Amino acid sequence: EVQLVESGGGLVQPGESLRLSCSASGFTFRNYAIHWVRQAPGKGLQYVAGISINGGTTYNSDFVKGGFTISRDNSKSTVFLQMRSLRPEDTAVYYCVKDIFGYFGALGHLDYWGQGTLVAVSS
Amino acid sequence: QSVLTQPPSVSGTPGQRVTISCSGSSSNVGSNPVNWYQQLPGAAPKLFISNDDERPSGVPDRFSGSKSGTSASLAISGLQSEDEADYYCASWDDRLSAWVFGGGTKLTVL
Repeated sequence: EVQLVESGGGLVQPGESLRLSCSASGFTFRNYAIHWVRQAPGKGLQYVAGISINGGTTYNSDFVKGGFTISRDNSKSTVFLQMRSLRPEDTAVYYCVKDIFGYFGALGHLDYWGQGTLVAVSS
Repeated sequence: QSVLTQPPSVSGTPGQRVTISCSGSSSNVGSNPVNWYQQLPGAAPKLFISNDDERPSGVPDRFSGSKSGTSASLAISGLQSEDEADYYCASWDDRLSAWVFGGGTKLTVL
């Protein structure tokens, strides 16, 4: 059974940093791209970042303005999202999502989602 | 503002057929497959339709997807109370080189 378990969320103040982790099991982790998608309270889904199988290709949405960095450790089946200079508008549930392919693009799609971890940015 | 456009809400009575639309552009829906996700209250999204019209294992055949040009649709026939959820469409955008989503549609079963 495919499982994606996010951790590292919490309450932080504006300007602070946070690192989210996504631990995967139930599939050959190194063969698949992984993504982060967030959902602000009461709002829709927003694509945040993605990383290819070997970390050679990454994507960060324009709205993060360089403050987020995605990385992965295939030896530990884990993906990370380092978030810096957090703002109140970054408050959301952050989901870790598996792709069906190793490289993200039109040929793939997001199939399995974790349960999410809540990040709250407030003073 | 979402890149893909969905109606905020749709409703129907048990047994009815409802459709949810998803409008995009030539850089996403018009040139790439559309996927649909169901999100039950308090839960993570779940893939319900992939590649415009393919149902993953376990998804009832009451759900079907279609696409024409830059618009896609999710149809649900024989509506049941358990179908009450938020539904999101998604597609790869060639211009943004990123996944884009619709704003979501809340389905209410009256």
